[in-house]
Amino acid sequence: AQKVTQAQTEISVVEKEDVTLDCVYETRDTTYYLFWYKQPPSGELVFLIRRNSFDEQNEISGRYSWNFQKSTSSFNFTITASQVVDSAVYFCALRGTYKYIFGTGTRLKVLA
Amino acid sequence: DARVTQTPRDKVTEMGQEVTMRCQPILGHNTVFWYRQTMKQGLELLAYFRNRAPLDDSGMPKDRFSAEMPDATLATLKIQPSEPRDSAVYFCASGLGLSYNEQFFGPGTRLTVL
Repeated sequence: AQKVTQAQTEISVVEKEDVTLDCVYETRDTTYYLFWYKQPPSGELVFLIRRNSFDEQNEISGRYSWNFQKSTSSFNFTITASQVVDSAVYFCALRGTYKYIFGTGTRLKVLA
Repeated sequence: DARVTQTPRDKVTEMGQEVTMRCQPILGHNTVFWYRQTMKQGLELLAYFRNRAPLDDSGMPKDRFSAEMPDATLATLKIQPSEPRDSAVYFCASGLGLSYNEQFFGPGTRLTVL
């Protein structure tokens, strides 16, 4: 069975704070893909990153960084120096052999 | 700026009526996905197509839902008959290449079944 857990339902931070969104996954597949998507208030999901199971290298893109650790089945997402425009719901997703599974999302509120 | 378009954006209908949602994928994209988002269930993959052929529709209630791609520029999702529990936002997404590549989402169709 596949599962994606985003235990943090909602996080509030003050602008310029760093924030980490947690994602823990379960799968028996040896080849799989992990994703993060952002859903701003407008509703349209926006792709942020994809990682495959053979590539544990962490990635940084501007203020965003991702930490993939197979040993703990985690794929965490950090926003450095958060901004109000980062306020959104963030989804972690897993694509195994058969299906896409999305986590329940973490609502991030960045306060000015 | 290429985008996935969905129509209608909002639909209110009565129980028992047929509902058709349409999606125009980004030109040149060969994979199309249909998702449903509700507060209770979150985001669920209903079906996806590659090169217009359905590859997986296991997430879709077969008795009332159907998804098709009449041509490369149009994907449809039909519900007949609709029920109040079908109320949700339905998203279409398209992508290029294999199903695990980046997906580009449309704005969604908000369906309310009374």
